[in-house]
Amino acid sequence: EPEVTQTPSHQVTQMGQEVILRCVPISNHLYFYWYRQILGQKVEFLVSFYNNEISEKSEIFDDQFSVERPDGSNFTLKIRSTKLEDSAMYFCASGWENSNQPQHFGDGTRLSIL
Amino acid sequence: RKEVEQDPGPFNVPEGATVAFNCTYSNSASQSFFWYRQDCRKEPKLLMSVYSSGNEDGRFTAQLNRASQYISLLIRDSKLSDSATYLCVVLLSGGSYIPTFGRGTSLIVHP
Repeated sequence: EPEVTQTPSHQVTQMGQEVILRCVPISNHLYFYWYRQILGQKVEFLVSFYNNEISEKSEIFDDQFSVERPDGSNFTLKIRSTKLEDSAMYFCASGWENSNQPQHFGDGTRLSIL
Repeated sequence: RKEVEQDPGPFNVPEGATVAFNCTYSNSASQSFFWYRQDCRKEPKLLMSVYSSGNEDGRFTAQLNRASQYISLLIRDSKLSDSATYLCVVLLSGGSYIPTFGRGTSLIVHP
């Protein structure tokens, strides 16, 4: 069964540094998403991406964050000037329709900011 | 009022028991509903979509009550492997698509 893959599985970064989290969505999917889950809390939507542009973003997704699909396969989340509170599990997901179809999640990148 | 509310549990049940979880949502424009399961420190995995007429998948039954704005998940004949956190996910209709997750209900099935 095709799956969403994410790298790295764990990223440790000093506060203030930039991180790039990478995702390879399922190949025939058209919609891509990033979520985060702070330890012990609920999964939170960050951003959705379609046709090479952001289609929706949450209040969390401020200027510190950006997404890109540089080469038609990878889908990246960049976090600039990381803060301690950015420590969380970041999940990438993909789907082939945006409305009533479920998404497939990658197994996440655990980001630890020191 | 929280957008999607779930009883966090934990629900602690013996193998073979039947257990039910509810999830309430605040936005009446919500259109699509799903149950996901999440094992500890793992990614959410789709368990089942929830259809207006209710639907069943093996030991799992999902129901939607639009009038009262809640969805439910029933698990029959619980297995040890059912131990996980069950996440309710709600999507609004129309052009805006921001899925809202509940905090999840923890289920522990013991021998």
